[in-house]
Amino acid sequence: EPEVTQTPSHQVTQMGQEVILRCVPISNHLYFYWYRQILGQKVEFLVSFYNNEISEKSEIFDDQFSVERPDGSNFTLKIRSTKLEDSAMYFCASRAGTGAGNTIYFGEGSWLTVV
Amino acid sequence: DAKTTQPPSMDCAEGRAANLPCNHSTISGNEYVYWYRQIHSQGPQYIIHGLKNNETNEMASLIITEDRKSSTLILPHATLRDTAVYYCIVGGYGQNFVFGPGTRLSVLP
Repeated sequence: EPEVTQTPSHQVTQMGQEVILRCVPISNHLYFYWYRQILGQKVEFLVSFYNNEISEKSEIFDDQFSVERPDGSNFTLKIRSTKLEDSAMYFCASRAGTGAGNTIYFGEGSWLTVV
Repeated sequence: DAKTTQPPSMDCAEGRAANLPCNHSTISGNEYVYWYRQIHSQGPQYIIHGLKNNETNEMASLIITEDRKSSTLILPHATLRDTAVYYCIVGGYGQNFVFGPGTRLSVLP
């Protein structure tokens, strides 16, 4: 069964450093997402991406964050100047279309620890 | 904010059916009900979705009331590996999925 894959599975970074989280969405999917989950809290929407541009973003997704689809397969989340409160699990997701019956499929996540 | 309300936790005996309720009284006509689960801190795993008819797949059954204001996810024979947080999500065309706190299901031996 096709799946969303994410790398790295775990990254530890110094506060103030830049981090790039990578994702390979399911191959025929057109819509891409990043969510995050701080330990013990709920899964939160960050951003959605379609046709090489952001289609929606949450209040969390400020100028510190950016997303990119640098080639036909990868989808990345960049966090500039990381803060302690950025420590969380980051989930990438993809969807074939946004028709109401289309399901969003999630990757296993990248656990980011900022020290 | 999530458009659904779920009990925060439930217990179920191993081998018995687990029935997880969800209220979505403000659901609109073109919105589907989706169910996901999350085991530990793994990525949310898709279980099932439906619009108004009851649905069944290899993992679970979804029962949606006739007025569509509530639904129940049924795991017919719960195992210890079904212990997880279960999320009920309402989503329509072009909408991103909004997660609530979900129901923490504990399957007990």
